[in-house]
Amino acid sequence: NAGVTQTPKFRILKIGQSMTLQCAQDMNHNYMYWYRQDPGMGLKLIYYSVGAGITDKGEVPNGYNVSRSTTEDFPLRLELAAPSQTSVYFCASMGRRGTGELFFGEGSRLTVL
Amino acid sequence: QKEVEQDPGPLSVPEGAIVSLNCTYSNSAFQYFMWYRQYSRKGPELLMYTYSSGNKEDGRFTAQVDKSSKYISLFIRDSQPSDSATYLCAMSASRGGSNYKLTFGKGTLLTVNP
Repeated sequence: NAGVTQTPKFRILKIGQSMTLQCAQDMNHNYMYWYRQDPGMGLKLIYYSVGAGITDKGEVPNGYNVSRSTTEDFPLRLELAAPSQTSVYFCASMGRRGTGELFFGEGSRLTVL
Repeated sequence: QKEVEQDPGPLSVPEGAIVSLNCTYSNSAFQYFMWYRQYSRKGPELLMYTYSSGNKEDGRFTAQVDKSSKYISLFIRDSQPSDSATYLCAMSASRGGSNYKLTFGKGTLLTVNP
């Protein structure tokens, strides 16, 4: 039972490079989220999606883009990477019934040098 | 004032101690309160979920919500080294739906020493 799968687990980028963090869930969940976690700062919502084709901004969307072409996948695109985007990124999903429980992936550690 | 305040610790206790973790909040619309546990280099996982004021117990864990004081707590009895993790409080105004968003505290790092 895979749950939420994130790739890559680790990545080092140079300033100005771009990359995509992949997220896939196999629970047929409608709601998907991208958070970033900085040391001592908790989780900040970047983008979220309530279903295929529908996305919306969270608290800290600048410098990121998302798409949701299928129920399963919710990739996060970083354009023109900056040192401020050094963080741990978590993808999460929640079912339609809205139990309030988010299921998280194991995270992607990104360093921008 | 931040929407959710949580003492980041770190908190270090001996095995068997009773641990108290707390969060305060300012948004009176919050109705649903959660505690997530996050082990090192892992994603958070839901530990406790409560609605409105009151207590909820699950084994060694008790969650308390006092909406009048805008204060929530998580108590861990007979703490074990396996409880060593970061504990994040989280809360929302709704149970689900398209407007559902969780607001997280910063997390408290707990170490239980054998």
